[in-house]
Amino acid sequence: DAKTTQPNSMESNEEEPVHLPCNHSTISGTDYIHWYRQLPSQGPEYVIHGLTSNVNNRMASLAIAEDRKSSTLILHRATLRDAAVYYCILRDSNSGYALNFGKGTSLLVTP
Amino acid sequence: GAGVSQSPSNKVTEKGKDVELRCDPISGHTALYWYRQSLGQGLEFLIYFQGNSAPDKSGLPSDRFSAERTGGSVSTLTIQRTQQEDSAVYLCASSSQTGPNYGYTFGSGTRLTVV
Repeated sequence: DAKTTQPNSMESNEEEPVHLPCNHSTISGTDYIHWYRQLPSQGPEYVIHGLTSNVNNRMASLAIAEDRKSSTLILHRATLRDAAVYYCILRDSNSGYALNFGKGTSLLVTP
Repeated sequence: GAGVSQSPSNKVTEKGKDVELRCDPISGHTALYWYRQSLGQGLEFLIYFQGNSAPDKSGLPSDRFSAERTGGSVSTLTIQRTQQEDSAVYLCASSSQTGPNYGYTFGSGTRLTVV
């Protein structure tokens, strides 16, 4: 599987936008970029995914670089409830069913 | 149901006892997955079900671990002769499709403590 690289931790102030980066320089043309997050003491939660174009949903936006070697998860207005570990995961039809969560980025949101 | 339901939410068992963990996926989701998360560690894939069949059991750590799914719905993960290293949060997820263009919905997990 192509590998992703994320910062170990980030910090944001409440009500400010947060940009969570993910590098995936070995991404293949068929890899989808998925983001999950895991709040304390909860199971992972699907956030968003995309292939080439930027994507928006009610939780977040996903900005994908033109060369697809990196992507950014954007939380438009961070709240205290957004404090979680955010995982960037690549998936294609050959990667099977086992999501490779890696270590993710631990996001701290301060009031 | 509206979400993936797991029971019990917490389980404390004595070393050497057998335990059963239950997962109730979202209604209509044909794919079901079990993961394990040990304290401070990442998520470890255990097994995947498509309907009642398990095409991928590659993540089961030993023959003490087994899982089944009946009626294309509820799944049970069984751990025999539990050991202290089995202590972890066991997470279940389901999805309507298995392709890379679909996300998974996870339950809140069962926290297993072996004493």
